[in-house]
Amino acid sequence: DAGITQSPRHKVTETGTPVTLRCHQTENHRYMYWYRQDPGHGLRLIHYSYGVKDTDKGEVSDGYSVSRSKTEDFLLTLESATSSQTSVYFCATQAGGQGETQYFGPGTRLLVL
Amino acid sequence: SQQGEEDPQALSIQEGENATMNCSYKTSINNLQWYRQNSGRGLVHLILIRSNEREKHSGRLRVTLDTSKKSSSLLITASRAADTASYFCATVGFMDMGRRALTFGSGTRLQVQP
Repeated sequence: DAGITQSPRHKVTETGTPVTLRCHQTENHRYMYWYRQDPGHGLRLIHYSYGVKDTDKGEVSDGYSVSRSKTEDFLLTLESATSSQTSVYFCATQAGGQGETQYFGPGTRLLVL
Repeated sequence: SQQGEEDPQALSIQEGENATMNCSYKTSINNLQWYRQNSGRGLVHLILIRSNEREKHSGRLRVTLDTSKKSSSLLITASRAADTASYFCATVGFMDMGRRALTFGSGTRLQVQP
């Protein structure tokens, strides 16, 4: 998985609680992404980052925020978790420049009760 | 919104047979990529084809791209049980070049019977 780790790998939480997922990379890649994967929907982009402190929204960003204070870390926060946010969350990185391949972490399975 | 739709949604073949998966997309693209996902794992990049290319090979993989029909196909020749996985096409649209984000199809689940 090209030096990308996600934590936690599994989490069960209750509706209304805040949740933070962490993505850590050792590749020094410029771009980082958070996707969610749901049955029948493939992967959908939540937020992305194009550098330290530079982030922007994806297609399904409502209810999520992100932060990137260091090149290697990209945090995804659910401010107040809802059952509709039950999903598998994947972090991905891309080198930038001529590199167009994305490298994915192993995923975090989140269940919101 | 989803860019790509994949066909079939599921495919079951015998080891040694060829597997063909198709992907259609909606908007103009810069490139199209195929990824594989083993059960419970992250996605792994397989191959990238640019909008000015029509065919590309990588080992047992052959990808074609028809920009006039906004479609692509992935052919896996002489399949093996280890090819059992879900396969996704993903596009980078010209409007997405700045953020380099991928738009994924819903995937084809391939089962290769030994």
